[in-house]
Amino acid sequence: GAVVSQHPSWVICKSGTSVKIECRSLDFQATTMFWYRQFPKQSLMLMATSNEGSKATYEQGVEKDKFLINHASLTLSTLTVTSAHPEDSSFYICSARVLGGDGYTFGSGTRLTVV
Amino acid sequence: GENVEQHPSTLSVQEGDSAVIKCTYSDSASNYFPWYKQELGKGPQLIIDIRSNVGEKKDQRIAVTLNKTAKHFSLHITETQPEDSAVYFCAASFGSGGSQGNLIFGKGTKLSVKP
Repeated sequence: GAVVSQHPSWVICKSGTSVKIECRSLDFQATTMFWYRQFPKQSLMLMATSNEGSKATYEQGVEKDKFLINHASLTLSTLTVTSAHPEDSSFYICSARVLGGDGYTFGSGTRLTVV
Repeated sequence: GENVEQHPSTLSVQEGDSAVIKCTYSDSASNYFPWYKQELGKGPQLIIDIRSNVGEKKDQRIAVTLNKTAKHFSLHITETQPEDSAVYFCAASFGSGGSQGNLIFGKGTKLSVKP
């Protein structure tokens, strides 16, 4: 089946630094990838929709200059948290939709801790 | 926009009993309803899904029912086992193939199966 690989699985960074999270579709092409944020004991909140070769579409309230998304190929999307602050600490999860198919496949998530 | 309500937020059952989780959605145009299982520190895993042209779908101990008129769908787990303990999310989206829209998630149900 479709597999999405997300790296790193966890990262600790200092306030003010930037962190990049990668999301790769391993055995299929994904024209669209989604980035979610999940706080403890809460549901997944969609941050942005990433379309290959075009600008990402951000949900209301999500700062596009802080959460940079790049979807340069059909198998890779990246989320960069710029100038991270402790309040950015969260679980970030990517998802991909199979090109021409149904359903969504999720990555394993990235636990970001900003100290 | 779409809104998905999920109940209960927590559910505790004895091993071997059945568990039922219910969700309602607001957008009658939604036509894809997946259920995800999320274990601690991991990404969501699809366990079963259903489309609006089907009323019920079953996969071994797991079944999903859909009532389009009432706009609600339910997850049924029979003969529960301790390894079924996790957080379960329902979701809804509209479209098909390349035009599938974003997934809107319920708030989740923490299922605990006591041995």
